[in-house]
Amino acid sequence: NAGVMQNPRHLVRRRGQEARLRCSPMKGHSHVYWYRQLPEEGLKFMVYLQKENIIDESGMPKERFSAEFPKEGPSILRIQQVVRGDSAAYFCASSPQGREPQHFGDGTRLSIL
Amino acid sequence: SQQGEEDPQALSIQEGENATMNCSYKTSINNLQWYRQNSGRGLVHLILIRSNEREKHSGRLRVTLDTSKKSSSLLITASRAADTASYFCATDARGGKLIFGQGTELSVKP
Repeated sequence: NAGVMQNPRHLVRRRGQEARLRCSPMKGHSHVYWYRQLPEEGLKFMVYLQKENIIDESGMPKERFSAEFPKEGPSILRIQQVVRGDSAAYFCASSPQGREPQHFGDGTRLSIL
Repeated sequence: SQQGEEDPQALSIQEGENATMNCSYKTSINNLQWYRQNSGRGLVHLILIRSNEREKHSGRLRVTLDTSKKSSSLLITASRAADTASYFCATDARGGKLIFGQGTELSVKP
């Protein structure tokens, strides 16, 4: 039973480019959460999605960031026009029907040149 | 701002010793969870304690929760070098969104 799969593991972008981070939840899990971890810090919640719905996006920056979890396929976190401050590790977690605990992927480490 | 604060920020012990980490939080919670993160990896769920529980055990782990003080502690007994990692507490206030503390970096020396 595969865990939460995130890809790519490492992503390098130049300022102004777009970054797309993918997350495939565990089998049977219909709830996905995205978190961001800056160096030497804990994780900060970004967004909580169910299939085709955004449940809570209170942690998402208002501009340049968007997330989706379509009926088919992985959840996508999209960052447009990246800036140096977007450099971080982005983690995805999933849970069955929104119940704890959340299971985490190994993250995507985004570096902005 | 982050919900939780953890202390100590870093802890270095010898194998076989016990390690205690503390977590404080600010608002009402449904449950509190502890996670471990090895360098460069994702978080691994260790244990969950609900707001109506005071203590919970899982193997070498013991978690306590004091809702009147809004604090929790994680005790790892008979530590091993493989326990070296960062440990985070996370609170779940209303189903879904987890709020993490800053973490404790534990180093267990063989």
